[in-house]
Amino acid sequence: AQSVTQLGSHVSVSEGALVLLRCNYSSSVPPYLFWYVQYPNQGLQLLLKYTTGATLVKGINGFEAEFKKSETSFHLTKPSAHMSDAAEYFCAVSEIGSSASKIIFGSGTRLSIRP
Amino acid sequence: DADVTQTPRNRITKTGKRIMLECSQTKGHDRMYWYRQDPGLGLQLIYYSFDVKDINKGEISDGYSVSRQAQAKFSLSLESAIPNQTALYFCATDRGKHGYTFGSGTRLTVV
Repeated sequence: AQSVTQLGSHVSVSEGALVLLRCNYSSSVPPYLFWYVQYPNQGLQLLLKYTTGATLVKGINGFEAEFKKSETSFHLTKPSAHMSDAAEYFCAVSEIGSSASKIIFGSGTRLSIRP
Repeated sequence: DADVTQTPRNRITKTGKRIMLECSQTKGHDRMYWYRQDPGLGLQLIYYSFDVKDINKGEISDGYSVSRQAQAKFSLSLESAIPNQTALYFCATDRGKHGYTFGSGTRLTVV
């Protein structure tokens, strides 16, 4: 069965500092991996996704994530935090090749940015 | 217009009442999902549908039912609402492998 673990329910960084949000997954088959962002009072938006090919994936707003199969990880990074990055971030996994697959979400990490 | 529209945006209802949350989409996707979001728990899957004739229970379907009226419409019902069903509810659609498109959510409060 698939599962996703996000390490740290709340991360706080200073404006301009590196953002690192951690995600580990469990899947019995090669996964598709996603990061979603949720701004206050809004739905979730797709930030980036890994399906196949290049393991370093670039998304919107300067975020990127690297798929590391050996570590079963898909951590999200941004070199320099901006106040507008304050939001909740969800890592998610779906199984490749399964026509009946669903996306399983992690419990989320709230990112706060200090001025 | 939004690709995925949920109505109502906010609703307060009394314990024991029946309530329906509606979702419609203009994406043309076959797959539709209902999730609930609670603080610290992420999103939990309630029901999902891969086409009009296919309805499946998710992780937490007890106390809920759904209806897929058409490809574009997927409604969630609480037959007899209880306070622990107070949550943020999201509808989503997808084409299978490309990530979901979410609605803006319905904030439901059961008093």
